[in-house]
Amino acid sequence: DGGITQSPKYLFRKEGQNVTLSCEQNLNHDAMYWYRQDPGQGLRLIYYSQIVNDFQKGDIAEGYSVSREKKESFPLTVTSAQKNPTAFYLCASSIGAGETQYFGPGTRLLVL
Amino acid sequence: AQKITQTQPGMFVQEKEAVTLDCTYDTSDQSYGLFWYKQPSSGEMIFLIYQGSYDEQNATEGRYSLNFQKARKSANLVISASQLGDSAMYFCAMRDPGYSTLTFGKGTMLLVSP
Repeated sequence: DGGITQSPKYLFRKEGQNVTLSCEQNLNHDAMYWYRQDPGQGLRLIYYSQIVNDFQKGDIAEGYSVSREKKESFPLTVTSAQKNPTAFYLCASSIGAGETQYFGPGTRLLVL
Repeated sequence: AQKITQTQPGMFVQEKEAVTLDCTYDTSDQSYGLFWYKQPSSGEMIFLIYQGSYDEQNATEGRYSLNFQKARKSANLVISASQLGDSAMYFCAMRDPGYSTLTFGKGTMLLVSP
């Protein structure tokens, strides 16, 4: 089955530690995205990538980093510089930039 | 800058009734796209329906239809014959002028009762 997988579903980390969230897709989509969702809020764009080896900052990129070495993978690293990292993180992909985005199941990150 | 406004924090509807979820948008562009997503309690965002600004007819997908009023800059989602499984958060989103990313509204929580 084609789709987007995110792992793990829940992630706990101590304050000050970097943590990497995984996002993999087998839909052969060129574009991939990372969003953050806080309780009672909409989605805010962290980073996006339209093609392998290229990515752009979204609205709230500070404290995050990404890589896009393979078409199917777009990992997100939450660094210690992110002041309030506890949130729900959603990865999405689309055939191309601006096309309909399809989402993974999300990762809930709790920093203690 | 684009802006999406969903003024209804929560909506309550009985099973088998129709419900309309409001979405207004603000853009100076002539070409844009509008999307609706459903987010059940599990968290995954599920694509429901899309409307392009130049589409002459309102989009429909099964029980979902989009009441697109361009002059009023509104793109309301209509769910006909509500089902218990429709209980979820619903988000309206707009494609940005660069055709790369989406801007999301804050969402509306829909509760369907038996």
